[in-house]
Amino acid sequence: DAGITQSPRHKVTETGTPVTLRCHQTENHRYMYWYRQDPGHGLRLIHYSYGVKDTDKGEVSDGYSVSRSKTEDFLLTLESATSSQTSVYFCAIRGQTNYGYTFGSGTRLTVV
Amino acid sequence: QQQVKQSPQSLIVQKGGISIINCAYENTAFDYFPWYQQFPGKGPALLIAIRPDVSEKKEGRFTISFNKSAKQFSLHIMDSQPGDSATYFCAASRGTNAGKSTFGDGTTLTVKP
Repeated sequence: DAGITQSPRHKVTETGTPVTLRCHQTENHRYMYWYRQDPGHGLRLIHYSYGVKDTDKGEVSDGYSVSRSKTEDFLLTLESATSSQTSVYFCAIRGQTNYGYTFGSGTRLTVV
Repeated sequence: QQQVKQSPQSLIVQKGGISIINCAYENTAFDYFPWYQQFPGKGPALLIAIRPDVSEKKEGRFTISFNKSAKQFSLHIMDSQPGDSATYFCAASRGTNAGKSTFGDGTTLTVKP
């Protein structure tokens, strides 16, 4: 997806281990978001950022933390992965005036 | 509390037919209503969006109808094609609230040839 990349694309991890997902953008957008997508639940907001070192919680933030030390990078960390965190994770970016999101290609995370 | 309710969950339409997906929202502070299209294995992509100061927006075969008093909006896909088969999400956001979007649960559209 133009201007936004997520890594890794797929990951399998064991219960109790920490995991970090990376979102990188080249659009210099202020706003960045992490969503998880699960069948029957649509997309649910985990955390978001409105600037470097400015982050806040979304509706499903328990068990997750984020960091944004540079405009272009937004990291999502699962502090101690659980099976309920098996999901597809999407990063999104948004500009100042256009409210529409540009999404990354997603990271499919499986916790075993 | 689900702030954006989407229906139906799945939809099957014949080629050339009209596909209609509906959404209802609760928060009257929302001021931006986009629709996203998602193909398997891909991220959602912005399809079309509307603001509450207009009742309809059309882009090609895709039209959003917006009813502010009823707090409802819908996506109409005219002359549906097999290539339109995808999952569609409605969303709502407030521009003054870091633009956080609340999404509906999605509609899986299948267009039969």
